[in-house]
Amino acid sequence: QSALTQPASVSGSPGQSITISCTGTNSDVGNYNYVSWYQQHPGKAPKLLLYDVNNRPSGASNRFSGSKSGNTASLTISGLQAEDEADYYCSSYTSSTTLYVFGTGTKVTVL
Amino acid sequence: QVQLVESGGGVVQPGRSLRLSCAASGFSFNNYVMHWVRQAPGKGLEWVALFSYDGSNKYYADSVKGRFTISRDSSKNTLSLQMNSLRPEDTAVYYCARGMRSSFDYWGQGTLVTVSS
Repeated sequence: QSALTQPASVSGSPGQSITISCTGTNSDVGNYNYVSWYQQHPGKAPKLLLYDVNNRPSGASNRFSGSKSGNTASLTISGLQAEDEADYYCSSYTSSTTLYVFGTGTKVTVL
Repeated sequence: QVQLVESGGGVVQPGRSLRLSCAASGFSFNNYVMHWVRQAPGKGLEWVALFSYDGSNKYYADSVKGRFTISRDSSKNTLSLQMNSLRPEDTAVYYCARGMRSSFDYWGQGTLVTVSS
């Protein structure tokens, strides 16, 4: 099971919106609405941002939104803030014997 | 509040064994799927294993199948990962995480396992 493909880095200025893509296959992203997104600051544990493509857990900021089209899911961060500078990972349930796969990770830089 | 605290990491030689533990509190432990997820130094996240909420199913990543065993002690609200035949490529921070639908909604702080001679 190969990792989902994400851009290595994305940057934006404060207040702007940015979008991170997450491309998989018909065995994972394309076959299930079970895509989730995580934010990870250096030296910290990941934090859940979205689940089931576009659902926010309790307490998560509404500046984060998700979508999916075919084999590609996307995370949009609106109103970019300095605290959004972190690594972001997508994840999907899969039909393989390795049940879950993560993305390669995207480093977000706030200019 | 939900808390997950991992322990048991350390330095171990290739081929040896190590047992990780995750102490859970703040929620009904037996009502949730629990996972182990790892992250090699400077690398991305990798799902390792799942323990179903009712204990009837355990699943493993292909990379650890046959070497790692996930278990749960409901009396102590503890999730464990027995790791045998360790390899240098198993070097990583190991996180336990609570499952919520098909996501991981709470994570511990992680415990570092280094496999080196």
